[in-house]
Amino acid sequence: DTGVSQDPRHKITKRGQNVTFRCDPISEHNRLYWYRQTLGQGPEFLTYFQNEAQLEKSRLLSDRFSAERPKGSFSTLEIQRTEQGDSAMYLCASSSEQGKLFFGSGTQLSVL
Amino acid sequence: GESVGLHLPTLSVQEGDNSIINCAYSNSASDYFIWYKQESGKGPQFIIDIRSNMDKRQGQRVTVLLNKTVKHLSLQIAATQPGDSAVYFCADTYGNNRLAFGKGNQVVVIP
Repeated sequence: DTGVSQDPRHKITKRGQNVTFRCDPISEHNRLYWYRQTLGQGPEFLTYFQNEAQLEKSRLLSDRFSAERPKGSFSTLEIQRTEQGDSAMYLCASSSEQGKLFFGSGTQLSVL
Repeated sequence: GESVGLHLPTLSVQEGDNSIINCAYSNSASDYFIWYKQESGKGPQFIIDIRSNMDKRQGQRVTVLLNKTVKHLSLQIAATQPGDSAVYFCADTYGNNRLAFGKGNQVVVIP
């Protein structure tokens, strides 16, 4: 399977804990995106990388959230001091051209 | 229609009939539009895209229509199949790197 891979698929954590998610994009794609989706809503943009450079961040991305893409390949999204409102599906997508994104299956986060 | 809370606008369609899903966008400067299909527990899956210099584009069993005058986008699915049951999202972008997604439309195919 050469699609976008995300790990873990599910994460249950207690409020106040830190969590980290990983995304492996399609190998030839230089653009990588993180989105967040809550039940019944469309995905909301969080941040965007071109190669290893983080070029855009949404206002949704509070200072508890940090994303990296150190070698321009895989990316990690860390949430510190999780809150119940962080419970959502975290989606990663990659693309080789502007606009046409290919999504992974997401990491479902539940904060208790 | 408007979605309220967890209740998505739902289109129920008989297997074999055609489906039409509508989407309104707000940014008149948007230059690229895309439809995604999302099945339960999965990420959005690309269906078809269209640029603002076109008003119609066809794929396999799907057609996207763009009306820039009224800022309206539609997705037509021909001969709807049970595997088409999913939530469908439209998204648009203008010159930047983020897709803005609309509210989803649930399609339920009745066998």
